[in-house]
Amino acid sequence: QLQLQESGPGLVKPSETLSLTCTVSGGSMNSRDYYWGWIRQPPGKGLEWIGSIYYSGTTYYNPSLNSRVTISVDTSKNQFSLKLSSVIAADTAVYYCVRRPYGVPPGGWGQGTLVTVSS
Amino acid sequence: DIQMTQSPSSLSASVGDRVTITCRASQGIRSDLGWYQQKPGKAPKRLIYAASTLQSGVPSRFSGSGSGTEFTLTISSLQPEDFATYYCLQHNSYPLTFGGGTKVEIK
Repeated sequence: QLQLQESGPGLVKPSETLSLTCTVSGGSMNSRDYYWGWIRQPPGKGLEWIGSIYYSGTTYYNPSLNSRVTISVDTSKNQFSLKLSSVIAADTAVYYCVRRPYGVPPGGWGQGTLVTVSS
Repeated sequence: DIQMTQSPSSLSASVGDRVTITCRASQGIRSDLGWYQQKPGKAPKRLIYAASTLQSGVPSRFSGSGSGTEFTLTISSLQPEDFATYYCLQHNSYPLTFGGGTKVEIK
């Protein structure tokens, strides 16, 4: 059974880089069938797609964050990662990692991890 | 970017009511749309994909319809466990975009 688990610091200072890792279990990441991505949700607000990566390393980012976002994958460890640079208070959110089957909206979600940007 | 306009933003309904939620896309997205249910403190759960295909294990009282720019999620007979927030998501083109959400509350 597929499981995704986010990990990383829960508190990041303004102007620093937010770094999160998603560990995938119950399935291989080295598959043409899936994209791996990140979605976030500020407290009390709606959902925002951050970006996705294909097993080949091809990435797709939300233009609203494009210059600050990097998503990478390490299929040997069954992990993928998110880096968001120059964070501000508005980046405070629950961050979810997701698996998106090709041609279908995301189906597998991690439980989410709250990241607070504060000094 | 494709804008997804979801309505209403909230509604109050009673157990047994029929509930309809709408999402309109700013341009045609074929049937590249999913619906999600989110309960407080939990990750969203996919209910429907390809606009009208019910996710395995999801009760049949949930249904989706539409294509192009207008889509609906219908709950035929609202149950106590259905009180939650619902979101649509288009995946026709990048960036993927969500509707603003509909909070379904108990009347």
